[in-house]
Amino acid sequence: GNSVTQMEGPVTLSEEAFLTINCTYTATGYPSLFWYVQYPGEGLQLLLKATKADDKGSNKGFEATYRKETTSFHLEKGSVQVSDSAVYFCALSEGFNAGNNRKLIWGLGTSLAVNP
Amino acid sequence: GAGVSQSPSNKVTEKGKDVELRCDPISGHTALYWYRQSLGQGLEFLIYFQGNSAPDKSGLPSDRFSAERTGGSVSTLTIQRTQQEDSAVYLCASSLAGRSEAFFGQGTRLTVV
Repeated sequence: GNSVTQMEGPVTLSEEAFLTINCTYTATGYPSLFWYVQYPGEGLQLLLKATKADDKGSNKGFEATYRKETTSFHLEKGSVQVSDSAVYFCALSEGFNAGNNRKLIWGLGTSLAVNP
Repeated sequence: GAGVSQSPSNKVTEKGKDVELRCDPISGHTALYWYRQSLGQGLEFLIYFQGNSAPDKSGLPSDRFSAERTGGSVSTLTIQRTQQEDSAVYLCASSLAGRSEAFFGQGTRLTVV
């Protein structure tokens, strides 16, 4: 079945460091790919998404490119801030038979701590 | 409301008791999802509603779990005869028809003692 694998945390970085969180997936067809973020004490929020191969999603300085050849969707940010400390989840959409909505298949999450 | 609302935010219950968890989705969102997040596990899909019907219940772990949605809005997830392994954060999300982007509530943390 479809699955998502992301790098284990926790990841600890100093402010202004470069961030990469790896995510690879296994899927049939052409899923959409997502990164969600969960800040301390808050609910999950969509960070960025990509719906087809070679698409690049970006938001708040974060980027991820949908790479079909390597089945990857790695999250990157050039210069992290303390406020980026959160748990990051990679996910893919999986089709339903009815309607066009799709449930999400999730990675286990990667905790990021950024120190000043 | 502005976002997805879940209640209660925390629930401690004794093993064997029944619990009801409530989700109030974003107004106008026809799709509603329940997920479960256990310690050390990723988010696990439980059930999906389109309107009041549930075309995919494949994630419900046992017949002790059930969910309903009324009026195309509020949904209730019921767990009967709770077990300790049911302890988790139960998350609800909603989305517009045909859209994959889901908006999440803050979850209900269920602890079965």
